[in-house]
Amino acid sequence: EPEVTQTPSHQVTQMGQEVILRCVPISNHLYFYWYRQILGQKVEFLVSFYNNEISEKSEIFDDQFSVERPDGSNFTLKIRSTKLEDSAMYFCASSDISRQGGYLLYGYTFGSGTRLTVV
Amino acid sequence: DQQVKQNSPSLSVQEGRISILNCDYTNSMFDYFLWYKKYPAEGPTFLISISSIKDKNEDGRFTVFLNKSAKHLSLHIVPSQPGDSAVYFCAARRGGSNYKLTFGKGTLLTVNP
Repeated sequence: EPEVTQTPSHQVTQMGQEVILRCVPISNHLYFYWYRQILGQKVEFLVSFYNNEISEKSEIFDDQFSVERPDGSNFTLKIRSTKLEDSAMYFCASSDISRQGGYLLYGYTFGSGTRLTVV
Repeated sequence: DQQVKQNSPSLSVQEGRISILNCDYTNSMFDYFLWYKKYPAEGPTFLISISSIKDKNEDGRFTVFLNKSAKHLSLHIVPSQPGDSAVYFCAARRGGSNYKLTFGKGTLLTVNP
């Protein structure tokens, strides 16, 4: 079964440093996302990406965040100057749309996540 | 702003019995709902979904019911197995949006042997 792959699985960084989280979405999916989950809290939407541009972003996704699809297969999330409160699990996801029985099915597949620890 | 609410943080059931996980939503623009299962240190794994034009969808041991008038959905797992023990997230998608999902806080299901 196709998978969304994320690397690294765990990243420790010092406050103020830049980090890049990497994802390889499912190859025929057109929509890509980053979500995060702070320990003990719900999964929160950060940004969606379609047709090589950001289609929607949350208020969490401020100027220190950026996304890129540099080569047609990878999808990256960059945090320019990490803060302690950026410590979380970051999930990449991709989605597609199919038809079944006359209505649309939306399939979202998530990666295993990158645990980011800012010290 | 909690648009998707899972009011039970945890649920414990006996193996073989039914597990019922509940989810409420406030945004009437949501038109597609999904349930995910999540183990610690792993990503959410898709279980089952339902469109707002249906009121029931079944896949093996998993059935999702949607009550649009009450803005309520539930996931039934029958029979429950110890391997079902995980956190279950309800998620919703708003029609016409760029397909982002809004998640509830999750319910920890424990199935006791």
